[in-house]
Amino acid sequence: AQTVTQSQPEMSVQEAETVTLSCTYDTSESDYYLFWYKQPPSRQMILVIRQEAYKQQNATENRFSVNFQKAAKSFSLKISDSQLGDAAMYFCAYGEGAQKLVFGQGTRLTINP
Amino acid sequence: EAGVVQSPRYKIIEKKQPVAFWCNPISGHNTLYWYLQNLGQGPELLIRYENEEAVDDSQLPKDRFSAERLKGVDSTLKIQPAELGDSAVYLCASSLGSVPTDTQYFGPGTRLTVL
Repeated sequence: AQTVTQSQPEMSVQEAETVTLSCTYDTSESDYYLFWYKQPPSRQMILVIRQEAYKQQNATENRFSVNFQKAAKSFSLKISDSQLGDAAMYFCAYGEGAQKLVFGQGTRLTINP
Repeated sequence: EAGVVQSPRYKIIEKKQPVAFWCNPISGHNTLYWYLQNLGQGPELLIRYENEEAVDDSQLPKDRFSAERLKGVDSTLKIQPAELGDSAVYLCASSLGSVPTDTQYFGPGTRLTVL
């Protein structure tokens, strides 16, 4: 079974600085998708960024970018110019085919003003 | 556009009582998901619907949990009887379809406390 591991339970960063959240996964598949979801204290999860495994180019969405290392099965999220509104739980997720997502344990990100 | 709606937001019950959660997905979304999120953990899929058909319920504890999506729109998840270990957040999500490029949109969840 696929597993997703987030080794950083908590991270903190100064406002306007850059932070990187780590994620590793285990799979024997070659075709899959990886996701980062954000869950603010209100609990509504929001998709931050998605990466297709067949694409070598790392996905980018404004201040959010990923470092996808397929051979190492690593998928980190970089948040540039951190803002107070970025404070949340961040979940890494793995999916293939029919949208069955497997989530990691989450990383709680705190932004220090 | 309205998001995924869930009710109630909070529910406190005594163990062995029944409880039901309701979800209304985004209009036009054919795929609906129910997830269980324990404190400090990521969500875990309980059941996935394609229209009114449950296409993946392998993680649903069928002895006490049931779900339905009768007209392929809104859905109800029921627990009967509830146990202490069922205390968690129950999340509903929906997507247009079930290909990985169809984004899953989540509702705010129902926080269940079983006493």
